[in-house]
Amino acid sequence: AQKITQTQPGMFVQEKEAVTLDCTYDTSDQSYGLFWYKQPSSGEMIFLIYQGSYDEQNATEGRYSLNFQKARKSANLVISASQLGDSAMYFCAMREGGYQKVTFGTGTKLQVIP
Amino acid sequence: DTGVSQDPRHKITKRGQNVTFRCDPISEHNRLYWYRQTLGQGPEFLTYFQNEAQLEKSRLLSDRFSAERPKGSFSTLEIQRTEQGDSAMYLCATPGQVNTGELFFGEGSRLTVL
Repeated sequence: AQKITQTQPGMFVQEKEAVTLDCTYDTSDQSYGLFWYKQPSSGEMIFLIYQGSYDEQNATEGRYSLNFQKARKSANLVISASQLGDSAMYFCAMREGGYQKVTFGTGTKLQVIP
Repeated sequence: DTGVSQDPRHKITKRGQNVTFRCDPISEHNRLYWYRQTLGQGPEFLTYFQNEAQLEKSRLLSDRFSAERPKGSFSTLEIQRTEQGDSAMYLCATPGQVNTGELFFGEGSRLTVL
């Protein structure tokens, strides 16, 4: 089974609108961390936001928020007030327990339309 | 700037040749990670170092791959007898905050094997 599933290969959003990128995960660990990364066309991987499995509140970082639904094993990224510069690939990722390995999903390509 | 420098940024080689990539974290980190990203996929874990000790290796790291971190600072990843399937972006990363575990990636070394 895939540990990280991103079911949206591509998404379009109008500039200034909000968009939700879906991510579901699979783990039997009680302690884990969830991450979102942005990869523009230039190629660098940019860390956006982190959610710990024991965190009771959803993480927020500026225009990014993580909608964490533990029972459903989902960790959706919400980008508010989309900007043209948000056009990029977005990857959901997970680190389980005490392991160092971070597992990434296949990504969602977001295109912001003027 | 993530504080991780990788060299070379691009490498084109013929099948069967050896290549070496270098990763230089700007500041000291006891952990260093190598990932590989092929087209249309998220990064995949290859290996990680705690200081100079290589503590975990993915099964993706065949016998043709070797990684070192001789003084616990910079690291090298060598691929011997390259194959076309080795064509990918090779990413180096260092950890962010200890209690969250996010990774900060370098800009990567893109390998093309002809």
